[in-house]
Amino acid sequence: DAGVIQSPRHEVTEMGQEVTLRCKPISGHNSLFWYRQTMMRGLELLIYFNNNVPIDDSGMPEDRFSAKMPNASFSTLKIQPSEPRDSAVYFCASSNTGSGNQPQHFGDGTRLSIL
Amino acid sequence: AQSVTQPDIHITVSEGASLELRCNYSYGATPYLFWYVQSPGQGLQLLLKYFSGDTLVQGIKGFEAEFKRSQSSFNLRKPSVHWSDAAEYFCAVGAQGRDDKIIFGKGTRLHILP
Repeated sequence: DAGVIQSPRHEVTEMGQEVTLRCKPISGHNSLFWYRQTMMRGLELLIYFNNNVPIDDSGMPEDRFSAKMPNASFSTLKIQPSEPRDSAVYFCASSNTGSGNQPQHFGDGTRLSIL
Repeated sequence: AQSVTQPDIHITVSEGASLELRCNYSYGATPYLFWYVQSPGQGLQLLLKYFSGDTLVQGIKGFEAEFKRSQSSFNLRKPSVHWSDAAEYFCAVGAQGRDDKIIFGKGTRLHILP
């Protein structure tokens, strides 16, 4: 079975540019999570969706960050405008939470570098 | 709210030696507990999980973990490590019957000496 698929794997861009990260969750999973990982702050939950609806976006650092889930098989995380401090690895994860907490399955991440 | 602490940032063991990685959680009821492993350049992979029942949980790659409610701990163990076990290990806790979030510890980086 295909796991969580993220694209691109690497992104290098200049500050001020718009960045869009993409995620395809595991088919049948109804929850999707976006995380950011840095050496200084570790793994941070940015936002999560359940049945395509954003449930908790308290981890989104500021208004420059936005996330959407237009359907059950696709989500985007957008940064506009990007800044060097946004450089990190961004992970998408999905789970099937029909009856309570279930393990999250992670993609391989997008390594983002803002110059 | 739940929280999880991994007291050791780095652990170094010799190949073939036994391993124990510590994890302490804070939660008022019975938590869901997980251990994940992250190899360089990759995402997190689930090693094992505890939801209920037997407090000794077996996982993949020869790992096991024991849930001790009295100590609020969920330590990860392996009797004999291999060089390929060098990675970062994350303990995580979720809340039964609550929202879908799980909270991750800061991670423990495991180094293996040949």
